[in-house]
Amino acid sequence: GEDVEQSLFLSVREGDSSVINCTYTDSSSTYLYWYKQEPGAGLQLLTYIFSNMDMKQDQRLTVLLNKKDKHLSLRIADTQTGDSAIYFCAEKTDSWGKLQFGAGTQVVVTP
Amino acid sequence: EPEVTQTPSHQVTQMGQEVILRCVPISNHLYFYWYRQILGQKVEFLVSFYNNEISEKSEIFDDQFSVERPDGSNFTLKIRSTKLEDSAMYFCASRREAGGPQTQYFGPGTRLLVL
Repeated sequence: GEDVEQSLFLSVREGDSSVINCTYTDSSSTYLYWYKQEPGAGLQLLTYIFSNMDMKQDQRLTVLLNKKDKHLSLRIADTQTGDSAIYFCAEKTDSWGKLQFGAGTQVVVTP
Repeated sequence: EPEVTQTPSHQVTQMGQEVILRCVPISNHLYFYWYRQILGQKVEFLVSFYNNEISEKSEIFDDQFSVERPDGSNFTLKIRSTKLEDSAMYFCASRREAGGPQTQYFGPGTRLLVL
């Protein structure tokens, strides 16, 4: 079955790197995504990675994909207080684009 | 930058009442979705819609739910007879392309509270 798992909470000091981890079960996933949700707001797409890639870098964000272990991570370099939010990983599970989400990781950035 | 909008932002209703949640997807998008997030739980897929018909729906999307694209801009989710467990944040999303990353853009959500 389809399931996406994430750790629930991460605390990080401002200026340090954050690493948010995610595991998924559907080996047929073609794309995996990271979304950010700030309090009271919707889901903002941060980045995505195609399943035949190992890594993707986009400014302060680095996505690593280990397809063998079905493990996805998001690294945020030089974490800022504005990065405090809930981060969701999601996989695209079929041709119609249905997304399967994890429960979200609450990231708290402390000064 | 174009964005998905949703109205209302909050809705309170009595159990058994009908509610209609409204969404305006990005104008050149072709695929439309509804998701919901019960407080403290995962974001769950409800339904996808393409070419004026439902393309896929989840087990949650039972006969009490319906979707419609009544004109060229709006996409609505109707819950005919609300239950307490329908209380959640409802997100609309849309995307344009058929291939590639099929990036979905989400609206800000409607928080529904059923009393």
